[in-house]
Amino acid sequence: SAVISQKPSRDICQRGTSLTIQCQVDSQVTMMFWYRQQPGQSLTLIATANQGSEATYESGFVIDKFPISRPNLTFSTLTVSNMSPEDSSIYLCSVEGYRVAHEQFFGPGTRLTVL
Amino acid sequence: DAKTTQPTSMDCAEGRAANLPCNHSTISGNEYVYWYRQIHSQGPQYIIHGLKNNETNEMASLIITEDRKSSTLILPHATLRDTAVYYCIVRVGGSYGKLTFGQGTILTVHP
Repeated sequence: SAVISQKPSRDICQRGTSLTIQCQVDSQVTMMFWYRQQPGQSLTLIATANQGSEATYESGFVIDKFPISRPNLTFSTLTVSNMSPEDSSIYLCSVEGYRVAHEQFFGPGTRLTVL
Repeated sequence: DAKTTQPTSMDCAEGRAANLPCNHSTISGNEYVYWYRQIHSQGPQYIIHGLKNNETNEMASLIITEDRKSSTLILPHATLRDTAVYYCIVRVGGSYGKLTFGQGTILTVHP
């Protein structure tokens, strides 16, 4: 199984600022995923990040708002830019596992509150 | 990926079996049924998956109907720590990529 850590675990930010969330995996993985979970809601995929290529964004999410970096096979960052209160959510990264075909492992999440 | 329908919430007594249903009537032949759960303030956790045969692992059993239009996740001896949101997800086998989460079932295990 993959062990995933995220930093920060939580943050409170002011409107108009940006926050970069880090995701570190203890093994090399090809695909990493970023999800958002708004208060009281289910998870929604933001984008898929492969090392060495541009991230692929889901409908409703754009690179200018959620730029993603994937510099190597164990690390990724998601930036939430020009934040508004509507961006208050839990942001989670995940990776595809190998113990069970296509099982995904999730990080603990970053709880973001925008004032 | 096919759409799934789950009850919004269920209750279960500690020590009893918890049976969580999921309807996926539009499932295709190459789509698997996955179950994940999310305990409060944690990331989702994989539980089990299957194609058409019943499956069992150390966490749970998955019963898939013969026509594959519905399934049931069984936690044989529920504990208080099993209180979580349970998500039933249908996804094409052999595919990598996103999981489409519905609203899931809030399972509350009470003493």
